[in-house]
Amino acid sequence: KQEVTQIPAALSVPEGENLVLNCSFTDSAIYNLQWFRQDPGKGLTSLLLIQSSQREQTSGRLNASLDKSSGRSTLYIAASQPGDSATYLCAVRARGGGSQGNLIFGKGTKLSVKP
Amino acid sequence: ETGVTQTPRHLVMGMTNKKSLKCEQHLGHNAMYWYKQSAKKPLELMFVYNFKEQTENNSVPSRFSPECPNSSHLFLHLHTLQPEDSALYLCASSQGVPGASGSLGADTQYFGPGTRLTVL
Repeated sequence: KQEVTQIPAALSVPEGENLVLNCSFTDSAIYNLQWFRQDPGKGLTSLLLIQSSQREQTSGRLNASLDKSSGRSTLYIAASQPGDSATYLCAVRARGGGSQGNLIFGKGTKLSVKP
Repeated sequence: ETGVTQTPRHLVMGMTNKKSLKCEQHLGHNAMYWYKQSAKKPLELMFVYNFKEQTENNSVPSRFSPECPNSSHLFLHLHTLQPEDSALYLCASSQGVPGASGSLGADTQYFGPGTRLTVL
């Protein structure tokens, strides 16, 4: 059974700092991995999606990497800003159809960027 | 603003009440999902509907009853809930579901803002 773990559970950094959020998964047979952002009281917003054949994806100040063989992904945020404060969720999608293809989420990392 | 809306945004109910959560998507998608997000637990998939047909029930207790009258609307009927059912309930939609013809693992899910449910 696929399990997704995110470390740390919470992180507080000063504005301007570069930071790394970690995600690990137990079954490397994934189709893709996705990073989401969740603001308090709101739904999830997709940030980056990495297909299993890719090593990384970039969007603005965000860079996500994937090492499928070791079951790890990192989300790198450059020059953090107070507006980056949110909970960041990692989710993997397994290969296969039906329930095998459902998203499996980690518990998230709650990020606080202080001015 | 996403194309998925949920009402109500907040709901407080007693254990003997009956209430319904509503989700509507304006994206022309064919698949809709209910998720439960409890404190300190990962997001849990509850139900999946594809073209109005339920394709997944993730061992959800019968006190949660989903309904999908058309591809744009999804309801979650609640009755005789327990305090441990208090959580954020999120709705999502996607063009298709994994395994459907031409859409294996390829569809991004778009999430609504959620309904914060408190059961007293």
